Amino acid sequence: NAGVTQTPKFQVLKTGQSMTLQCAQDMNHEYMSWYRQDPGMGLRLIHYSVGAGITDQGEVPNGYNVSRSTTEDFPLRLLSAAPSQTSVYFCASSSGTSGSLNIQYFGAGTRLSVL
Amino acid sequence: AQTVTQSQPEMSVQEAETVTLSCTYDTSESDYYLFWYKQPPSRQMILVIRQEAYKQQNATENRFSVNFQKAAKSFSLKISDSQLGDAAMYFCAYRSARTSGSRLTFGEGTQLTVNP
Repeated sequence: NAGVTQTPKFQVLKTGQSMTLQCAQDMNHEYMSWYRQDPGMGLRLIHYSVGAGITDQGEVPNGYNVSRSTTEDFPLRLLSAAPSQTSVYFCASSSGTSGSLNIQYFGAGTRLSVL
Repeated sequence: AQTVTQSQPEMSVQEAETVTLSCTYDTSESDYYLFWYKQPPSRQMILVIRQEAYKQQNATENRFSVNFQKAAKSFSLKISDSQLGDAAMYFCAYRSARTSGSRLTFGEGTQLTVNP
């Protein structure tokens, strides 16, 4: 079972460069989300999607774009990377709706450094 | 907005002993879910245990149990018979029952060390 797959696992960027973090899930989950993890701050929600074609902002959306053209894929785009975006990024997916005790499945994370 | 606070950045325990990790949260809602996630050095996020707020009974999963105090908005994790493999970062997380499964609010994390 592949579950949630994130690529790449590591990436180094220069300030101002752009890149896309890939996330794919093979569980036919409707709900997908992106978090960033910083020391002493836990995981914070960047963007999320409740289905193909539907996305919304989380707690820390500035500097990031997302789209959801298929159920399986939910890429995260950094249009102009900044050192403040140095972090570990996690993609997650879940199947349930509000009011249900559904579980989020996480990818293995992408460690991004912006110099 | 909901907040989750883990006041212990680091904890340590001797192998085979019991340790309790603390978590408090702030919410005005009455229906929600609480989770504990484990993150070992591999970085993988692993669900340890979960609790529905409407259930008074504390959740238990083998050596892991919680003490859920709804009125005090407290959700602590007890690890019994600690093992070396329990060493990890532990995160407490909250999800409103009114929002979708995509929206978790996490605490800052507690780094647990298990001493042999």
